[in-house]
Amino acid sequence: DAKTTQPNSMESNEEEPVHLPCNHSTISGTDYIHWYRQLPSQGPEYVIHGLTSNVNNRMASLAIAEDRKSSTLILHRATLRDAAVYYCILCNAGGTSYGKLTFGQGTILTVHP
Amino acid sequence: GAVVSQHPSRVICKSGTSVKIECRSLDFQATTMFWYRQFPKQSLMLMATSNEGSKATYEQGVEKDKFLINHASLTLSTLTVTSAHPEDSSFYICSARGRTGNNQPQHFGDGTRLSIL
Repeated sequence: DAKTTQPNSMESNEEEPVHLPCNHSTISGTDYIHWYRQLPSQGPEYVIHGLTSNVNNRMASLAIAEDRKSSTLILHRATLRDAAVYYCILCNAGGTSYGKLTFGQGTILTVHP
Repeated sequence: GAVVSQHPSRVICKSGTSVKIECRSLDFQATTMFWYRQFPKQSLMLMATSNEGSKATYEQGVEKDKFLINHASLTLSTLTVTSAHPEDSSFYICSARGRTGNNQPQHFGDGTRLSIL
């Protein structure tokens, strides 16, 4: 499975933008970039995903580098409810992998009031 | 949005008991469901993948006779932990994905915290 590298932790202040980086230098052409987040004692929550182009939804934006070897999840205005572990995961839809997700350690985001 | 319900949310039982956990997709048909386990302060580990009507595919090191998975319908998958022991205590989480493609997002339940005494 292609691996991703994320910082262990990041901090932000409420109402400020947050940029969460992810490196995936061994990404293959058929790997989608998925982001999920997990609050304590809950299951993960889907945030956003993309293949090549930048993506926006109501939760966040995903900026994908032109060579696809890195991406950045952007929370435009952090709130206290955004404090969570954020996972960047490569999802290969082909073959027999059934698009399974391999979770790494993620980035612990702390949001200060 | 897509909703996945997992039940029960917490189970406490004696060693040797078998425990069944249900995972339901409430507003979409889940052709594929996944089961994960998460130990304290660790990340999620995939246990198995199940497609509706087929036998589950287990990850390396996961005992299929210990963790029985049934995915008999497009809205329900169950995980049965047979003869549970204290080392099986963990946070079990299911996810589901619809028909639209393997690259599409998974939608997760809120997990089941299993404590074996």
